[in-house]
Amino acid sequence: DARVTQTPRDKVTEMGQEVTMRCQPILGHNTVFWYRQTMMQGLELLAYFRNRAPLDDSGMPKDRFSAEMPDATLATLKIQPSEPRDSAVYFCASGLDEETQYFGPGTRLLVL
Amino acid sequence: DAKTTQPPSMDCAEGRAANLPCNHSTISGNEYVYWYRQIHSQGPQYIIHGLKNNETNEMASLIITEDRKSSTLILPHATLRDTAVYYCIVTDHNTDKLIFGTGTRLQVFP
Repeated sequence: DARVTQTPRDKVTEMGQEVTMRCQPILGHNTVFWYRQTMMQGLELLAYFRNRAPLDDSGMPKDRFSAEMPDATLATLKIQPSEPRDSAVYFCASGLDEETQYFGPGTRLLVL
Repeated sequence: DAKTTQPPSMDCAEGRAANLPCNHSTISGNEYVYWYRQIHSQGPQYIIHGLKNNETNEMASLIITEDRKSSTLILPHATLRDTAVYYCIVTDHNTDKLIFGTGTRLQVFP
């Protein structure tokens, strides 16, 4: 079964530290999404890429967040510096053009 | 903002059909209705989608009204493992973006 993988699964860090989350999309998928989920805001789209090019990052705080796709098998989401309000579960999803999105298991981030 | 309205919670007895309603009265002609679910502590999982016609797959059936202003997701024989939050999402196939609302928390009981 092809699956989206995310690392790390859990991350605890202190305020001000850099956090890097990684995602390996399903092989052959050309669209990658980053979502954030909190109790208060629910699931929010942060950014997404098609063929490694960023299409929309309007949901992402620009001053501290950055998303990249160094190659077709890796997407990264960085937070620098991290803040307690960034504590959330971050999901990566991949898909093929406009078709269904397949979600990874998420990275649970806690910023102290 | 999500373009759909769903009841916050529903119960269903194991083995019975679970019928989850969704209102999307402002849906436009090129927008699809998607259903995803999220089991506790997991990522959302695709269930089914449709444009105008009713759809069925191995997981569920999707019934869309003729005016397309509402739809119903049917799990024909609910099991305990179907306990999850179910999201109804309306999206333009050209934008890829899924805007998640608050969903319906379905509790299947023995």
